[in-house]
Amino acid sequence: DAKTTQPNSMESNEEEPVHLPCNHSTISGTDYIHWYRQLPSQGPEYVIHGLTSNVNNRMASLAIAEDRKSSTLILHRATLRDAAVYYCILSYNYGGSQGNLIFGKGTKLSVKP
Amino acid sequence: DTGVSQDPRHKITKRGQNVTFRCDPISEHNRLYWYRQTLGQGPEFLTYFQNEAQLEKSRLLSDRFSAERPKGSFSTLEIQRTEQGDSAMYLCASSLEGRPNQPQHFGDGTRLSIL
Repeated sequence: DAKTTQPNSMESNEEEPVHLPCNHSTISGTDYIHWYRQLPSQGPEYVIHGLTSNVNNRMASLAIAEDRKSSTLILHRATLRDAAVYYCILSYNYGGSQGNLIFGKGTKLSVKP
Repeated sequence: DTGVSQDPRHKITKRGQNVTFRCDPISEHNRLYWYRQTLGQGPEFLTYFQNEAQLEKSRLLSDRFSAERPKGSFSTLEIQRTEQGDSAMYLCASSLEGRPNQPQHFGDGTRLSIL
């Protein structure tokens, strides 16, 4: 399974943008890049995914490098509720769904008021 | 969309006892996954079902573990003869097959503590 590398932790100030990086140098052509986050005492929550082009949704933006070996999750204005562990995951389009997700340790994001 | 629900939220039991957890997926979702998460780690895949068929099992799923999804709706995960190392959060997720890259929706898990 393709691996991802993320910083263990990051800090942000409330209402400022946050850029969470992810390296995936061994990504294959069929791997999608997914981001999930996990708030304390909750199950993971889907954030966004993409293949080659940058993606935006109501929660975040995903910027994918041209060579696809890295990506960045962008939270445009961090709130206290965004404090969570963020996971960057690779998986192929497995029969129409995401297949089994291989989680790493993720990046623990702290947001300061 | 009432979300994925798991029951119980917490379970404390003595070593050697059997435990069973239940997961109710989102009603129209035909895929159901079980994961295990220990403190400070990301979730680890255990097994998944498509409708009532169990299609894949991780090496983590020892013979003390068994999962069922008898009518393709709710699922149960049973652990027999529990051990200290089974203490973890057990997460269930569901997704919809057939449309590209449908995300997995997770429940809030069952936390198992072995005394």
